[in-house]
Amino acid sequence: GAGVSQSPSNKVTEKGKDVELRCDPISGHTALYWYRQSLGQGLEFLIYFQGNSAPDKSGLPSDRFSAERTGGSVSTLTIQRTQQEDSAVYLCASSLEGTSGNEQFFGPGTRLTVL
Amino acid sequence: AQSVTQPDIHITVSEGASLELRCNYSYGATPYLFWYVQSPGQGLQLLLKYFSGDTLVQGIKGFEAEFKRSQSSFNLRKPSVHWSDAAEYFCAVGAKEYGNKLVFGAGTILRVKS
Repeated sequence: GAGVSQSPSNKVTEKGKDVELRCDPISGHTALYWYRQSLGQGLEFLIYFQGNSAPDKSGLPSDRFSAERTGGSVSTLTIQRTQQEDSAVYLCASSLEGTSGNEQFFGPGTRLTVL
Repeated sequence: AQSVTQPDIHITVSEGASLELRCNYSYGATPYLFWYVQSPGQGLQLLLKYFSGDTLVQGIKGFEAEFKRSQSSFNLRKPSVHWSDAAEYFCAVGAKEYGNKLVFGAGTILRVKS
């Protein structure tokens, strides 16, 4: 079946603009995660959804970052007033259930470049 | 706080040689342990995972890893490396006590010499 998909694959934006990144998880997966991969910080957890609610938002770096999930499926990560330090690859993952032992399946990522 | 250390940023091995990638973790709980591989421009693919039981875990592509609680380690091994194994490898840890997120090591870039 289809894996996790993300769009766009690449996004170039100007500092101060807002961007939206989309994630389509594997059908039937109730848990969805966003991570950020950057040169200086490695792979960092951002937020976790179980269904449409987000019980763990502890990794969001500032209030410019927000995410939502609708219908227990698609998720959108929004970054407002982008800054150059937001440049990174944003990875989405989904798992069958939201427990630590479940395998998380990763999408190919969205490479964000803020000029 | 939990942390994962991969002490080797880069490793170069000859094709056909054996490989060991190191991973140490710091956790106040019984961890779930994972190894992921990332090829350039690709997402992360799970190689293997350890939850409990037998401390030697077999994964895909001929990889295995051994959990050593006394050393807080989960090293990845392969007896004979192929050129297609060149990629970046990430060790990751999760634990029920810390929610559902994975904490990743910094990664080890593997280069394979022909």
